[in-house]
This record gives sequence, structure tokens and C-alpha cells, in this order.
Amino acid sequence: GEDVEQSLFLSVREGDSSVINCTYTDSSSTYLYWYKQEPGAGLQLLTYIFSNMDMKQDQRLTVLLNKKDKHLSLRIADTQTGDSAIYFCAETGGSYIPTFGRGTSLIVHP
Amino acid sequence: DAGVIQSPRHEVTEMGQEVTLRCKPISGHNSLFWYRQTMMRGLELLIYFNNNVPIDDSGMPEDRFSAKMPNASFSTLKIQPSEPRDSAVYFCASGQGQSYEQYFGPGTRLTVT
Repeated sequence: GEDVEQSLFLSVREGDSSVINCTYTDSSSTYLYWYKQEPGAGLQLLTYIFSNMDMKQDQRLTVLLNKKDKHLSLRIADTQTGDSAIYFCAETGGSYIPTFGRGTSLIVHP
Repeated sequence: DAGVIQSPRHEVTEMGQEVTLRCKPISGHNSLFWYRQTMMRGLELLIYFNNNVPIDDSGMPEDRFSAKMPNASFSTLKIQPSEPRDSAVYFCASGQGQSYEQYFGPGTRLTVT
């Protein structure tokens, strides 16, 4: 089946930028997503990008898509302690059903 | 809107017992998803309903698991009999029409001893 890969952990200092990376295998991916999961809660959609775009910016969040390399990244500028969470990359092709990565735990140090 | 509602939030049961997890999707949403999350396997899709009809149940682990959606505002996931390896957090998510966005509930943490 299709696969989405992420590194498991990322540690950054408060105020620095965080970059979370993701690779996927489905060449027919239509939408790519970043979800955030805080402790004890469900996943919450942060942002998404259409496969015909290469960048999307939303306040402190920047999503970059390299469709040729099937690589997606999420940059969080001026990372705060409140950004500590698990971040999931996901993609959908022609169906409503997303394929999720394993999640990257972002740890922000004061 | 209150968002997706799941109950109970925590369930502790003994092996062999029946467990029923409940979900109320967001009003107006016509897609509903059940997921299971564990450290070992990450987030797994168990079953997906569209307009109350099960569309894809290929992720349901075995016959001990069953899911129903009797109407647009309610779904259940039942495990009978439960086993320790079923211990996980179970999420329900709902979506609307052609939108690919899913709204997740807070999850039910199930512990089977």
C-alpha cells in the first residue's frame, strides 16, 4: 500500500524555527495535510496543500511541497512551548481516506 | 457546534468482556471514520462510513470488531470479546461532502487487562 514516512522526534529551542519533514509514495496524491495532536486530544487539521501548489503560508506556518521528490515539509516560525505536540503528515488520492504518517513529536525547550 | 463527541473517554475492562465505544459526529457531516492509535502501529483506519453506509472496513482487525451507524448522528464500535492487545486510543472523525478535512473527536482510551 501507499506509505507516508516521518521522523519520530524533533527538539528545538523556543524562538527558533522548526522544520518537520515527510515523504510519501503515492504519485496520485491530490491533497497533503498537516495535523496536530496535543496530549490527550484528537488530531486537529493545521493546514493542507493541493498537489499543484509548491508552497502555502499561513501566519507562522509554511508548507513546502516538492512533488518530484514526494517531499512535504512544515516550517513553524518562532516556535513556542505551546507548539509542543505530535505533528502528522497525511495524503489523499482519489478517495476521502487519508494515509497518515506515524507522527513527529515536537519538543520545544525554553 | 460541540464537535465530534465520543464516549466514554476512558474504559478499563477485563479480557473477554464486551466493549462498546460511541461516537456522535458533527451535525451535517456525512462521512464517519473510526481509527485506532497505538505506539507500535501509529494511527490505523478501521472503518469508514458514508451516508451511514460502511464503505471500507478492510482495516477492521478481525471478527471480534464490529461497527454500526444506525443514523446520521450516531455510530458504535464494538469489540466482543476484548483482548489485551486491543488496548489503544480509539478515535472517531467526521467529514462533510467533498471536503477532505476530517474533524477528530477526543478519543476513547481503552485498557483491557
